[in-house]
Amino acid sequence: DAKTTQPPSMDCAEGRAANLPCNHSTISGNEYVYWYRQIHSQGPQYIIHGLKNNETNEMASLIITEDRKSSTLILPHATLRDTAVYYCIVRVAHLGGGAQKLVFGQGTRLTINP
Amino acid sequence: EADIYQTPRYLVIGTGKKITLECSQTMGHDKMYWYQQDPGMELHLIHYSYGVNSTEKGDLSSESTVSRIRTEHFPLTLESARPSHTSQYLCASSGSSGGAKNIQYFGAGTRLSVL
Repeated sequence: DAKTTQPPSMDCAEGRAANLPCNHSTISGNEYVYWYRQIHSQGPQYIIHGLKNNETNEMASLIITEDRKSSTLILPHATLRDTAVYYCIVRVAHLGGGAQKLVFGQGTRLTINP
Repeated sequence: EADIYQTPRYLVIGTGKKITLECSQTMGHDKMYWYQQDPGMELHLIHYSYGVNSTEKGDLSSESTVSRIRTEHFPLTLESARPSHTSQYLCASSGSSGGAKNIQYFGAGTRLSVL
């Protein structure tokens, strides 16, 4: 099973780019990389996902290395509201009926400082 | 923004009471999930459903029950609440289309306190 390694915490200044790394050296060829974040006391929020290519949406960019063993989530202009726990997920448990469980690790607690 | 709603957001209740946590989604997703999360801890799957009239237990044992009579609703019930049930309950849903079928969208959660 693919698992991820993330730093437990990071700090970033408001207005700067926040770069959150994730190692997933045992990822399989067909496993996606998902990023979610959880702001205090709220449900996890989907951010972005990718398979091989770099991806960008209105929230963030996802850079996946060519060997797919690591990735970086980039928040280009971090604001105070981006303070949250960020989860990199590659492991998915297959359930009945095609349902799939996301396996959340400990994540990275990102603090945006004014 | 995900169209998945949970009510109530907060609930404080006495031991022995029956409670139902509501979860509704308007995305037409066939799969729905209930996770449980204690403060600062990981999410654990307690129930899921892959369609109407299907309900399955997750990998964390829970005394709660669920039902899926309609696609959009997936309520969770505790027949007799106990202090050990104090936790945050998170509902999620996902569809079946596209290569990345695992994108689950979460509600805001219900924080339950049983006194």
